[in-house]
Amino acid sequence: DVKVTQSSRYLVKRTGEKVFLECVQDMDHENMFWYRQDPGLGLRLIYFSYDVKMKEKGDIPEGYSVSREKKERFSLILESASTNQTSMYLCASRGVDSFSYEQYFGPGTRLTVT
Amino acid sequence: RKEVEQDPGPFNVPEGATVAFNCTYSNSASQSFFWYRQDCRKEPKLLMSVYSSGNEDGRFTAQLNRASQYISLLIRDSKLSDSATYLCVVNVGGSQGNLIFGKGTKLSVKP
Repeated sequence: DVKVTQSSRYLVKRTGEKVFLECVQDMDHENMFWYRQDPGLGLRLIYFSYDVKMKEKGDIPEGYSVSREKKERFSLILESASTNQTSMYLCASRGVDSFSYEQYFGPGTRLTVT
Repeated sequence: RKEVEQDPGPFNVPEGATVAFNCTYSNSASQSFFWYRQDCRKEPKLLMSVYSSGNEDGRFTAQLNRASQYISLLIRDSKLSDSATYLCVVNVGGSQGNLIFGKGTKLSVKP
């Protein structure tokens, strides 16, 4: 069974703080993704990575950066958190030999920036 | 035009009812299609893939119409446990497997 874990379920940070969200998958998947989900806006892709040290911008990368130093771990960084980054953050992974393109999601981190 | 469009609902149906959700997508180059299910405050999970020939999994039937760029999900004999948000999802190609998610249709099945 694929398992994707995220470092925190709930996080409260102050405006201007640097925030790290960690994601780990245990299935040796090459592709990893960070999304945010907001009411009425659905899931939006922030960044993705198709291999170690590789990263690509998604649809809404502004205000975020990512790090992928190891295959199993994909980190999302908010350099200076702002209130408009209050959201649910979801990490996902996918193996490139998967014909189904199924992405497996972590449980999410609900981030509140005050 | 939005890439994947769904009626947000909510669809409120009694147990045992049949309910259908529709979804349209804008990119004619889309290659793969899916329905994901998301329970309240949980992560999305794959419900089923959608094939050109249509496919059925128990009470769930998915259909794809490429000419009209239209995907549907039919749920028969609804159960209370079917209450969730159903996300229409499209892969627009590329080896990275990037998916475009609809905003979801909320289903509430009542006793």
